[in-house]
Amino acid sequence: GESVGLHLPTLSVQEGDNSIINCAYSNSASDYFIWYKQESGKGPQFIIDIRSNMDKRQGQRVTVLLNKTVKHLSLQIAATQPGDSAVYFCAEGLSSASKIIFGSGTRLSIRP
Amino acid sequence: GAVVSQHPSWVICKSGTSVKIECRSLDFQATTMFWYRQFPKQSLMLMATSNEGSKATYEQGVEKDKFLINHASLTLSTLTVTSAHPEDSSFYICSATDTLGVWTSGRGAGELFFGEGSRLTVL
Repeated sequence: GESVGLHLPTLSVQEGDNSIINCAYSNSASDYFIWYKQESGKGPQFIIDIRSNMDKRQGQRVTVLLNKTVKHLSLQIAATQPGDSAVYFCAEGLSSASKIIFGSGTRLSIRP
Repeated sequence: GAVVSQHPSWVICKSGTSVKIECRSLDFQATTMFWYRQFPKQSLMLMATSNEGSKATYEQGVEKDKFLINHASLTLSTLTVTSAHPEDSSFYICSATDTLGVWTSGRGAGELFFGEGSRLTVL
């Protein structure tokens, strides 16, 4: 099966600070990208998505940035809260289909 | 919002036995379902795409005779792990959508709904 990376780095952030989680995607043809949050023992939870015709999209407390030139995606979480502790995955796909491929993931831990 | 339910949420079986995992869409018709496998501290790996009424499309390296997928109705897909071995122990997750392309008609990837996963332990 396909997988984009097998590593799980950890990001530790002070509560109240902003978090920035980065992701490198693999397929130049991908034209939409998604960020998911996964808590232990649960399925992924949709956070925000973006199409390749945009370079920035904002949601509630979250912002996704897309740099197609270097195939880089980032998720910014403002005023990080304890409830934000989870593993965050980026995913990529084609807008003509529903199949998506997950990236490597980053564990976000919050320091009180 | 839409709900995708998986059953069982966890299962323990003996080596050599077969295990069936169900994925149901509870309030929408899922024309397409996806099955993922996730090992500890790793990402979700796509195993196969399941379209209602047709054969599943397996990703490279996934044994179709070992991981049998059936999508007989618009609300149910099943994954059967045949002759399970300890190395098959994993977290199996399904997702479902009623949209061929997630950006159709301005809809986004929020229309892909994930189940809560099924943890398989093979002794």
